[in-house]
Amino acid sequence: AQKITQTQPGMFVQEKEAVTLDCTYDTSDPSYGLFWYKQPSSGEMIFLIYQGSYDQQNATEGRYSLNFQKARKSANLVISASQLGDSAMYFCAMREGRSSASKIIFGSGTRLSIRP
Amino acid sequence: ETGVTQTPRHLVMGMTNKKSLKCEQHLGHNAMYWYKQSAKKPLELMFVYSLEERVENNSVPSRFSPECPNSSHLFLHLHTLQPEDSALYLCASSQTLTSPSPLHFGNGTRLTVT
Repeated sequence: AQKITQTQPGMFVQEKEAVTLDCTYDTSDPSYGLFWYKQPSSGEMIFLIYQGSYDQQNATEGRYSLNFQKARKSANLVISASQLGDSAMYFCAMREGRSSASKIIFGSGTRLSIRP
Repeated sequence: ETGVTQTPRHLVMGMTNKKSLKCEQHLGHNAMYWYKQSAKKPLELMFVYSLEERVENNSVPSRFSPECPNSSHLFLHLHTLQPEDSALYLCASSQTLTSPSPLHFGNGTRLTVT
């Protein structure tokens, strides 16, 4: 069965500091994809970054990078030089490549608050 | 501006009412989804459509009835809801059903059942 775990319900970070949001996952499928989403108070879910299970390098998108440790089944999101606008809920999600391909399951989320 | 549009943004309805949520995607995607987001719970997948065919029905009560008339539109028909159905309902679309196709979400409909 799929499972996504985000152990940090909330985090406070000083503006301009880097922050790491934790995500661990559990799957028996060797082919899967991992996603991170941001949800501001407006409610929209914004796609940030994707990591495939066979990707050789960690994904990066601007200030976002993914610390992918396959053996430990972790896919932590790193935000560099945090900004006030980064305050939001952040969700880790996974889709298995073969079975249950239509299902993307989400973790419970981490609420990130950036202090000025 | 989001490529996935949901209406209405807010909806208050009584338990005996019938209402519908609408979702439209302008991205040319082949798959569309309904998710339910309740307070302090992870997003719950409700329904998945691929090329207008339902491919996933995640044990959702029959008081929720989806409709996908074409690949750009998705509806969620609601009737005789319960107060515990109050939540944010999110529509999403993706290019395909498989990785690495991410979901693109709408802004959601905040539903309150009184």
